Amino acid sequence: AQSVTQLGSHVSVSEGALVLLRCNYSSSVPPYLFWYVQYPNQGLQLLLKYTSAATLVKGINGFEAEFKKSETSFHLTKPSAHMSDAAEYFCVVSDPGSGYALNFGKGTSLLVTP
Amino acid sequence: DAGVTQSPTHLIKTRGQQVTLRCSPKSGHDTVSWYQQALGQGPQFIFQYYEEEERQRGNFPDRFSGHQFPNYSSELNVNALLLGDSALYLCASSLAMRESNQPQHFGDGTRLSIL
Repeated sequence: AQSVTQLGSHVSVSEGALVLLRCNYSSSVPPYLFWYVQYPNQGLQLLLKYTSAATLVKGINGFEAEFKKSETSFHLTKPSAHMSDAAEYFCVVSDPGSGYALNFGKGTSLLVTP
Repeated sequence: DAGVTQSPTHLIKTRGQQVTLRCSPKSGHDTVSWYQQALGQGPQFIFQYYEEEERQRGNFPDRFSGHQFPNYSSELNVNALLLGDSALYLCASSLAMRESNQPQHFGDGTRLSIL
């Protein structure tokens, strides 16, 4: 089964600083990749999804992710962090072998300090 | 346009009891998936329903069962509850499975606590 690994369970940045959340995938075929965000006591919201049309994917709230096949990575970035970005972020791969069920990474908790 | 709705939002049960959670998919969606999210963990796939049949199942025991109705809504049933079943249960809906890269839309979940 396809899986993803998120490096760093907690990331802390200052407001206005660059946000970088790391994700590596394990797949021998082109994967279906997503980033989801979960705010406290809420469900999951889709930030962005990878399509083979472009390696740089733009999402909501100023986030983007770059698909790098040579590094099997799909890192999430945002140029300038805002206090409202504090949340749990999940890198997710969709597994064709299981009806495109979602396999989640363990998540990265983003803390934004003033 | 209503999104995915789940009920109830919170539920408290005791060990050995049975529970039913409900989900209405986003308008236009016909596939429903259920996930379990333990505290501090990522969601784990339980099963997926399409055309009123269970199509895929994750690594969960038979105590976990489900149903999908003709209007695409779904129920998750858990029998013989264990303390370890305490979690946030998330429902997600999507277009038909043939649309493989269509994202799944999540509800806010049902928080189940087992005493």
